[in-house]
Amino acid sequence: QKEVEQDPGPLSVPEGAIVSLNCTYSNSAFQYFMWYRQYSRKGPELLMYTYSSGNKEDGRFTAQVDKSSKYISLFIRDSQPSDSATYLCAMSANSGNTPLVFGKGTRLSVIA
Amino acid sequence: GAGVSQTPSNKVTEKGKYVELRCDPISGHTALYWYRQSLGQGPEFLIYFQGTGAADDSGLPNDRFFAVRPEGSVSTLKIQRTERGDSAVYLCASSSTGAGDNEQFFGPGTRLTVL
Repeated sequence: QKEVEQDPGPLSVPEGAIVSLNCTYSNSAFQYFMWYRQYSRKGPELLMYTYSSGNKEDGRFTAQVDKSSKYISLFIRDSQPSDSATYLCAMSANSGNTPLVFGKGTRLSVIA
Repeated sequence: GAGVSQTPSNKVTEKGKYVELRCDPISGHTALYWYRQSLGQGPEFLIYFQGTGAADDSGLPNDRFFAVRPEGSVSTLKIQRTERGDSAVYLCASSSTGAGDNEQFFGPGTRLTVL
């Protein structure tokens, strides 16, 4: 079993839909959780960063962490065609400079 | 300012050959990471530098892989006796040092194809 599991999709939704992306993990030491967006042939870029359990909102994006269930989510409201990309969850046990453990990514297409 | 750059963007080589992949981090970033992303997978950690020294090389798959960062800035990932299974996108990331989340900024990657 991989440390981080993520449904690879692909996921296709109409423009304006609410998108829910999820990851589960097995290492209870993980405390720092991130969501990266990766466009085709580009490097990942950080979207959201959260520490421990709870919610964090940034514009149309909301990240949720449930450490008791070892489950994290990213919600995208009012999805746009420009949101079409691969979304990667990532996590680490420590803050600061530390290697990240990634899920395999979920490929999202938002259809106009 | 300039982001993380990687050269070459694409590299095609033959099985058994030696390759070098270069990473130029964001100026002033002391931490530098190499990851490998196979098709349909997320990035997998290879090695992490803090300054000139390798702080963690636990992700290097075997001794054919080696990385250096002699002056604490540019880094080179070196792969000897390449194998077809080494084909992947090699990503470099850099981050600053200090309190806070220390976001890792990724380059566009080098797509390595071993024939």
